[in-house]
Amino acid sequence: DAGVTQSPTHLIKTRGQQVTLRCSPKSGHDTVSWYQQALGQGPQFIFQYYEEEERQRGNFPDRFSGHQFPNYSSELNVNALLLGDSALYLCASSLWTGVGQPQHFGDGTRLSIL
Amino acid sequence: RKEVEQDPGPFNVPEGATVAFNCTYSNSASQSFFWYRQDCRKEPKLLMSVYSSGNEDGRFTAQLNRASQYISLLIRDSKLSDSATYLCVVNMRAGNMLTFGGGTRLMVKP
Repeated sequence: DAGVTQSPTHLIKTRGQQVTLRCSPKSGHDTVSWYQQALGQGPQFIFQYYEEEERQRGNFPDRFSGHQFPNYSSELNVNALLLGDSALYLCASSLWTGVGQPQHFGDGTRLSIL
Repeated sequence: RKEVEQDPGPFNVPEGATVAFNCTYSNSASQSFFWYRQDCRKEPKLLMSVYSSGNEDGRFTAQLNRASQYISLLIRDSKLSDSATYLCVVNMRAGNMLTFGGGTRLMVKP
């Protein structure tokens, strides 16, 4: 039973570039959430996707966008990268009907902006 | 004020010690509560859910006080392998959006 998988593991970009991160949820899960974790801080919620629509969004600018595909996998896109976007990006999956249930995290993508 | 607040530590304790972490949250309508553990440069992993009646899982005990908006985690007989950052996590709104505290770092020494 595959858990949450994310790709790539590491990524190095320069300011102004664009990046796409990918996530496949745990088998049986239909909801994907994305979090950003800066060094020394707790993860911060970016947005959540269910049925291919963004359902909730945290306090992140429009440069952060996403998509969910019919197979429940998801992408996170960040445009016009800033140095402050350097962080660990975590994907978590859950069941939409499982409100209040814990989420399962992938290993994350470590993004470095030069 | 942060929505979920934790003492960042670090807590340096000897093996075998008992250590307690506390966490406060701001939204009284919060619905569910968790402790996650995060090892250095790894993803958060669920340690335990926290229930109003309090719950125990081996050496770990979690308590929730809704009136005071306060969550605690007690670790008994600390092991070297307990060294990690412990994240207090709250589901604050409808839907399944988790709000994390900044984490409390624990270092267990021989």
